[in-house]
Amino acid sequence: NAGVMQNPRHLVRRRGQEARLRCSPMKGHSHVYWYRQLPEEGLKFMVYLQKENIIDESGMPKERFSAEFPKEGPSILRIQQVVRGDSAAYFCASSPEGGSQETQYFGPGTRLLVL
Amino acid sequence: AQKITQTQPGMFVQEKEAVTLDCTYDTSDPSYGLFWYKQPSSGEMIFLIYQGSYDQQNATEGRYSLNFQKARKSANLVISASQLGDSAMYFCAMSYFNKFYFGSGTKLNVKP
Repeated sequence: NAGVMQNPRHLVRRRGQEARLRCSPMKGHSHVYWYRQLPEEGLKFMVYLQKENIIDESGMPKERFSAEFPKEGPSILRIQQVVRGDSAAYFCASSPEGGSQETQYFGPGTRLLVL
Repeated sequence: AQKITQTQPGMFVQEKEAVTLDCTYDTSDPSYGLFWYKQPSSGEMIFLIYQGSYDQQNATEGRYSLNFQKARKSANLVISASQLGDSAMYFCAMSYFNKFYFGSGTKLNVKP
């Protein structure tokens, strides 16, 4: 009964490169969320997706960031032309349904370091 | 706008004693959920406890209980009989329309 899987766990990129972060939700969960945690801070919502649909991307930076959750395969958070300020932990969460009463279960996170 | 406030950046507690971690929230919507997560030094986010805004009774999960005072908009976490393994960051979160809003966290240190 695997939980939310994220890979890679650690990712190092040089400025200007692309970062791809993957998330496989828990079995039976069709709702995926991405959050970013800067050092010494709480998590900040980025985007909420269901299969093949972006439901809410109000927390995504306007440029360089994109997310998808295809019909087959994991959800992908893509950061183009990374900058040092993108260094953070990126967490994926999933839930079986949407709504305010649903617990979100988090993956272990991907620590992105931009040199 | 939804807001979560944790006013205790760090706390110490003696092993085997109880500790309360404070959390207040601000929302004008009647339907929301309140959650507590634990983040140990390894970095993962571990779900601890959930309280729905319409729940009449305070939530409990083993040594964790949530002191929900709706009129005061507070959702404090009580950990009974602290253990050394409880040393970690603790985050309060509120769910609202599929988003979680997190507080800034409280770092709990359990002393032997």
